Amino acid sequence: GAGVSQSPSNKVTEKGKDVELRCDPISGHTALYWYRQSLGQGLEFLIYFQGNSAPDKSGLPSDRFSAERTGGSVSTLTIQRTQQEDSAVYLCASSLKSGSANTEAFFGQGTRLTVV
Amino acid sequence: AQSVSQHNHHVILSEAASLELGCNYSYGGTVNLFWYVQYPGQHLQLLLKYFSGDPLVKGIKGFEAEFIKSKFSFNLRKPSVQWSDTAEYFCAVKSGGSYIPTFGRGTSLIVHP
Repeated sequence: GAGVSQSPSNKVTEKGKDVELRCDPISGHTALYWYRQSLGQGLEFLIYFQGNSAPDKSGLPSDRFSAERTGGSVSTLTIQRTQQEDSAVYLCASSLKSGSANTEAFFGQGTRLTVV
Repeated sequence: AQSVSQHNHHVILSEAASLELGCNYSYGGTVNLFWYVQYPGQHLQLLLKYFSGDPLVKGIKGFEAEFIKSKFSFNLRKPSVQWSDTAEYFCAVKSGGSYIPTFGRGTSLIVHP
């Protein structure tokens, strides 16, 4: 597709359930980022993938959060045993290889997660 | 760790007023700087970016930003805002070889017609 695609666009889940959020980056983009945007807050970095390298997981808030990227393309963010504080908009972004000059990130529409 | 401060959280202007949104960052070395905009119901999109060269950067829709290294600042400006500029504006910084942009909290701009 032309842009970063995220699904679902909205997700309501019960506390304690697991959720999976999907991101399909722009074709040819080797870098992929997950951020979380809570009400009134900025974008909180979660995890970064670059090609086949080990991901930078330094932003994941707890071990309930995990992400994978299959075949260097589609990524899935999984939140286990969801809590109400996990409610936020989860944003995915992709960019060309980060070492090059033209490395702005292109964002998807986000997945709005509500934990009830 | 890098931090990015956007001091104006909410700005309300009338059309044709001038705009300046502040952005300060903490890292003193080489930086890549960005301003993103998020219009209501839309995804984040790039307004402008600075990597090197002329510190005055022109972006889309009449926006510009000036990188002042001595002040660790990258303020966003527009001489005359329009109602359609109503949006959330985010400053972001990549620094010291990091591949990960750090974002500020954002500034909500409302422009009254």
